[in-house]
Amino acid sequence: GAVVSQHPSWVICKSGTSVKIECRSLDFQATTMFWYRQFPKQSLMLMATSNEGSKATYEQGVEKDKFLINHASLTLSTLTVTSAHPEDSSFYICSASGGISSYNEQFFGPGTRLTVL
Amino acid sequence: GNSVTQMEGPVTLSEEAFLTINCTYTATGYPSLFWYVQYPGEGLQLLLKATKADDKGSNKGFEATYRKETTSFHLEKGSVQVSDSAVYFCALSVLTGANNLFFGTGTRLTVIP
Repeated sequence: GAVVSQHPSWVICKSGTSVKIECRSLDFQATTMFWYRQFPKQSLMLMATSNEGSKATYEQGVEKDKFLINHASLTLSTLTVTSAHPEDSSFYICSASGGISSYNEQFFGPGTRLTVL
Repeated sequence: GNSVTQMEGPVTLSEEAFLTINCTYTATGYPSLFWYVQYPGEGLQLLLKATKADDKGSNKGFEATYRKETTSFHLEKGSVQVSDSAVYFCALSVLTGANNLFFGTGTRLTVIP
């Protein structure tokens, strides 16, 4: 089946630093990638949608200058949390779709847990 | 708006017990409905789906029926196994394809031998 990986699986950083999270589709070309954020005991919240080679579309309330998304190739998207603060601590999940199923199913990565001290 | 409400966990069952995880939804259009499962340390996987009223999605012994009259999509399994221990997410999409998913909060299921 389609496999999506994320790296790192967890990261701890100091307040004010930037953190980059990678999302890779390992065995298919992902024309669209999605970034979600999940708070404890809450739903996955869609942050942004990115199409390869174009700018990401951010959901309302998500700061585009804070959460930089790059989708430079059909197998890689990155999320950079800039000047991270403790309130950015969360579980970040990416997904990818590439038309390999009849209805553009999203395939999810295992998530990255970010802790900002 | 679009939202999904699912039963809060955690749920703990003995092996071979009957499982029901309730899910209800509100949607602005005519949604497709999904159940995703997340096993420990892994990403979310699509478990089953239904795209129109009265459709029944089924996979690995799990099933759920799209009930428009009650706006529900409850997940059931007749006899759970230890390997079914995971977090289950109900979700909906109101666009063609699954490119705009709205998730419930997830229900953690633990099956004990």
